[in-house]
Parts: sequence; structure tokens; C-alpha cells
Amino acid sequence: TQLLEQSPQFLSIQEGENLTVYCNSSSVFSSLQWYRQEPGEGPVLLVTVVTGGEVKKLKRLTFQFGDARKDSSLHITAAQPGDTGLYLCVVSAGTALIFGKGTTLSVSS
Amino acid sequence: NAGVMQNPRHLVRRRGQEARLRCSPMKGHSHVYWYRQLPEEGLKFMVYLQKENIIDESGMPKERFSAEFPKEGPSILRIQQVVRGDSAAYFCASSPQGVPSVYNSPLHFGNGTRLTVT
Repeated sequence: TQLLEQSPQFLSIQEGENLTVYCNSSSVFSSLQWYRQEPGEGPVLLVTVVTGGEVKKLKRLTFQFGDARKDSSLHITAAQPGDTGLYLCVVSAGTALIFGKGTTLSVSS
Repeated sequence: NAGVMQNPRHLVRRRGQEARLRCSPMKGHSHVYWYRQLPEEGLKFMVYLQKENIIDESGMPKERFSAEFPKEGPSILRIQQVVRGDSAAYFCASSPQGVPSVYNSPLHFGNGTRLTVT
């Protein structure tokens, strides 16, 4: 079983649309991170959320950590082709990071 | 301001050969992590090293795989007698401090080595 379940697995939208992707777990986490990975590159950290209910904004991206700290969402407003990539939610487990399988987002112009 | 450097970017090996993947961490980073990415499995932790020490190798297969981070030079992930199932993207990440968490600096990933075993 996967510790972090991300949905949807794939998302293909037109430029200008809004979207939300989700990261769910039955476990409680002290913090959660979102990374973005573009084709042929390594993951890059977007944000870290720590407090239950916390909302963080990064330009057109809004990240929310669930009240119970078991889930998180990423909302993108007015998506652009440059938002295309694999969005990964990540939690820390000892010395390792545990990655979800990610949501592959494709934004076409 | 060089980031994490991995080479080669692409590596093709025949079954039974050895693969050596190299990783130079960011300047000032003494903690190195190796991850493997398979299409259906996502990124999986393999090993965590500091200079001259293996801290956690719980994610690394017991046979054929080894990793080192010598006092001088890059970290090396070595796969002996490769099999088709070893085909994957291998990512290295580094941090200035250990035990990645929100309280420490985030991991900085390289762009990976894509290993293809024919």
C-alpha cells in the first residue's frame, strides 16, 4: 500500500483553466512538502506546510495542509504551459523522504 | 552556483555489465542521498551517505548495489551485473544538514542518470 495517494494521476487541461490536485494519507504528518519535476530534470521543492489548516500561496499556486495533517491540496489558478510537470507530495520518514507517485499535469496553449 | 551534478546523464549497459553513477553535491553540502525512479513506482529512497560513512542503506537492494561517498571526489552508486529490472532514472540529492525535514534545508536534486539495460 502507498503511504501517500495522489489524485488524479494524470490531468490534461487548456491554458487558463483552474485545477486542484490532491495528496491523501491515513497517517498524520508533522510536515508535508510539494515538489515539481519537469521532464528530464530532478524534483524541485515548491513549498513546505507545517501547521494543520495552513494555506500558502506561491504566485498562482495555493497549497493547503489539512486540519488533521493527513492530506494536502494544490490549486493552480489560470494554468499556463510552464506549469506542465509532475507534482509530487512528499513527507519525511527518518532519514528518507517518502514520495507519492505524483500527478502528471499537461497544460496546452 | 553549480547545483548537484550527476553524470553520465544517460548510460546504456548490457546485462551482466557494471554501471557506475557519479554525483557531485552542491558546494558546502556533505550529505548525499540516492533515489531511484521507476515509471509505475515513483521515487524510492535507496541510501543516505555522509563523507566516508553510510548512514542509512535500508532502501538499497542487498545484492549487486553499493554506494560510497569518499573524502575526496564524488559519490558513486555502483550496480554490478546489471539486469533489465535495473533500468530506471537514478537521482542524487544533497543537503548541508542531515535528516531532511522542514527544520533543515530542503534536498537539492540533480537531473539524474537514466540507466538502460539491454
